[in-house]
Amino acid sequence: RKEVEQDPGPFNVPEGATVAFNCTYSNSASQSFFWYRQDCRKEPKLLMSVYSSGNEDGRFTAQLNRASQYISLLIRDSKLSDSATYLCVVNEEGKLIFGQGTTLQVKP
Amino acid sequence: NAGVTQTPKFQVLKTGQSMTLQCAQDMNHEYMSWYRQDPGMGLRLIHYSVGAGITDQGEVPNGYNVSRSTTEDFPLRLLSAAPSQTSVYFCASSLQPNTEAFFGQGTRLTVV
Repeated sequence: RKEVEQDPGPFNVPEGATVAFNCTYSNSASQSFFWYRQDCRKEPKLLMSVYSSGNEDGRFTAQLNRASQYISLLIRDSKLSDSATYLCVVNEEGKLIFGQGTTLQVKP
Repeated sequence: NAGVTQTPKFQVLKTGQSMTLQCAQDMNHEYMSWYRQDPGMGLRLIHYSVGAGITDQGEVPNGYNVSRSTTEDFPLRLLSAAPSQTSVYFCASSLQPNTEAFFGQGTRLTVV
């Protein structure tokens, strides 16, 4: 079983749609959680950290469920520029463990 | 602001050759790490370092060596290149393990 699992997609959605990505992790001792965005095999960049109470940044909402070892990312009002691969990342004792990524394609 | 600088950006090696991928950061970050990214596999951790003089293995360390003689530099050495090491390599650094990681632009390595 992979330590961090994501549905690779692709998710094809129209502009303006709401889309949700899920991620599960296997190590219950994991300490911190992130969503990164990666465009066309360029370097990953931090989208947002994920806090236990849930957090929102504009159109993006991240949630963490420690009991179920589950992380989610919700994107509202999708834009063409949101097309990218979204990487779920878990910090295990200083090591960042990446999921394989979920590809989003937003179409006009 | 340089951030994390990786060199070279592209490299072609013959099987059996050795080389060093360079990684330098100017943010005084303690944590540095190397990943490889293959299609459908996501980023996999090769080696990481929590500070100068300290390194440890990640998920896929075989065939690679690292050292951390300074805070700024974290080179990755391929000892004897194999076609299975064809990949995109990313170096990353962060101030603390639970803070944002900054990545270099990647090195695209092909071993023939």
